Amino acid sequence: LAKTTQPISMDSYEGQEVNITCSHNNIATNDYITWYQQFPSQGPRFIIQGYKTKVTNEVASLFIPADRKSSTLSLPRVSLSDTAVYYCLVGPRTVTDKLIFGTGTRLQVFP
Amino acid sequence: EPEVTQTPSHQVTQMGQEVILRCVPISNHLYFYWYRQILGQKVEFLVSFYNNEISEKSEIFDDQFSVERPDGSNFTLKIRSTKLEDSAMYFCASSVTSGSGFTEQYFGPGTRLTVT
Repeated sequence: LAKTTQPISMDSYEGQEVNITCSHNNIATNDYITWYQQFPSQGPRFIIQGYKTKVTNEVASLFIPADRKSSTLSLPRVSLSDTAVYYCLVGPRTVTDKLIFGTGTRLQVFP
Repeated sequence: EPEVTQTPSHQVTQMGQEVILRCVPISNHLYFYWYRQILGQKVEFLVSFYNNEISEKSEIFDDQFSVERPDGSNFTLKIRSTKLEDSAMYFCASSVTSGSGFTEQYFGPGTRLTVT
């Protein structure tokens, strides 16, 4: 599985857009990029997944450049409730695959 | 929205005792997982389960651990003789195969296991 690197922590204020970048230089051709969110004392929650270019859903956008060696999770207009740890995972899209979590990015949103 | 449930939310046990952590996956899901997270550390994979057998297990999942799907709804993790280092949050997850061959894993709220 491709190794990922993301910032340990980020701070933001309510209403701002937050971009969290993940580096995955050795991503394989069949790997997908998936982001999960974890609130304190809760299980991780799937946010978004993509392979290339841009993916958008009701929660976030995921930007993936042509070389796919990095990706950026974009959270528009964050609120206090977006305070959480965000994990970038890279791996093949097979249903039985385990998820390998790194340390993630701890996002703190201030009022 | 359907969700994965886990019981109990918190379990305190003495070292050497057996514990069973229970999970009810989402009803139409076919793949089941257990993960654990020691306080302040990463979420770690323990085991995956499909078609009534273990698909994959990690090094953590040694002979002291076992999983079972005793009926059509429950999925359990048993630790036969707990150790202090088993203290952690244990998460159950489930997923279902879609037409494209993958869907996200849905996690439960976790069971906090404290071994004294």
